[in-house]
Amino acid sequence: RKEVEQDPGPFNVPEGATVAFNCTYSNSASQSFFWYRQDCRKEPKLLMSVYSSGNEDGRFTAQLNRASQYISLLIRDSKLSDSATYLCVVRDYKLSFGAGTTVTVRA
Amino acid sequence: DAGVIQSPRHEVTEMGQEVTLRCKPISGHDYLFWYRQTMMRGLELLIYFNNNVPIDDSGMPEDRFSAKMPNASFSTLKIQPSEPRDSAVYFCASSGPPRGNEQFFGPGTRLTVL
Repeated sequence: RKEVEQDPGPFNVPEGATVAFNCTYSNSASQSFFWYRQDCRKEPKLLMSVYSSGNEDGRFTAQLNRASQYISLLIRDSKLSDSATYLCVVRDYKLSFGAGTTVTVRA
Repeated sequence: DAGVIQSPRHEVTEMGQEVTLRCKPISGHDYLFWYRQTMMRGLELLIYFNNNVPIDDSGMPEDRFSAKMPNASFSTLKIQPSEPRDSAVYFCASSGPPRGNEQFFGPGTRLTVL
């Protein structure tokens, strides 16, 4: 079983729509959680950390459910510039990356 | 800050040749990571260093791969001999104060082994 599993998508949504997706992780001892964003043929970049109580950063909302071992990301009022692959990242003693969820926002 | 610097950005080589990838981390960062990304396997951690010392190399696929960090500002990943299945994008990342939780990635080296 992979350490971090994500729905690969793609999620194709119109501008202004809300899109949400999850990832699950296998190690219950994982300590920290993140979402990274990767544009086509570019390096991953940190989008936001995920805190136990859930957190928002502008149009992005991240949630953590430790009991069910999943993390979610919700994007509100999506923009064309949100088109990217979103990587779920979990840390125990090292970072483990999911394979990514591809989101395409169309005009 | 220039960010993490990797060279070369693209490398095309023939099977059996030696390949050396280079990385300069962000100044002041004390952790350095080498990753490999492919469509099939996603992003995989190969090895990481703390204060120039290799801490975990369990992700290095086989003895053909080796990594060094002779000083705080330079690291290499070497593949000898290279094989077509080594074709991938290799990323170097670094982390350190003040945002120790965040890894900053370099632009990657796109390696093609023919």
